[in-house]
Amino acid sequence: AQSVTQLDSQVPVFEEAPVELRCNYSSSVSVYLFWYVQYPNQGLQLLLKYLSGSTLVKGINGFEAEFNKSQTSFHLRKPSVHISDTAEYFCAVSGAFSGGYNKLIFGAGTRLAVHP
Amino acid sequence: NAGVTQTPKFRVLKTGQSMTLLCAQDMNHEYMYWYRQDPGMGLRLIHYSVGEGTTAKGEVPDGYNVSRLKKQNFLLGLESAAPSQTSVYFCASSPQGARQPQHFGDGTRLSIL
Repeated sequence: AQSVTQLDSQVPVFEEAPVELRCNYSSSVSVYLFWYVQYPNQGLQLLLKYLSGSTLVKGINGFEAEFNKSQTSFHLRKPSVHISDTAEYFCAVSGAFSGGYNKLIFGAGTRLAVHP
Repeated sequence: NAGVTQTPKFRVLKTGQSMTLLCAQDMNHEYMYWYRQDPGMGLRLIHYSVGEGTTAKGEVPDGYNVSRLKKQNFLLGLESAAPSQTSVYFCASSPQGARQPQHFGDGTRLSIL
């Protein structure tokens, strides 16, 4: 069965520091990978996606993620965070296991708290 | 540029009451989804639809029903609300294909007393 594990439930960080949010997945078939961000009292917004090609993908707000097939990981990084990056971040995977619809499997989320 | 719109945004119900949550999308997407979000559990799929007139069960369908009479609308019903259904409900839509990201509404916060 497919699954997504976000290794940290909470990540506190100071403003202007770098951050990495970790995501591992398990799947026996090819996958497509997504990171979503959820600001307080809002819905999920697509941050970036990996479909194929270059393993380093860039997203909105200065975030990037690297797909590592051998490690089955898709970690999210930002070199310098802002207070406004405080939000919950979800890693998600879809793929050939979809079974007729765009099945999206979510991790439990990582709450990023940026402190001044 | 509305995208996915959910109504209402907040609701408080008493145990045993019924209600319907409405989701509307203006992107002409084929697929629509209802999720619930609970602390520490990510998003769990309740029901989904792959086209007008079709619906199917997701991971946690018990206690909910859905209908998709029009392509742009997807309704989620609670026939007899229970405290365990207190949650934040999200609707999403997407084009067909596993490569396509899902687009989410802003959610409905539902409390069952």
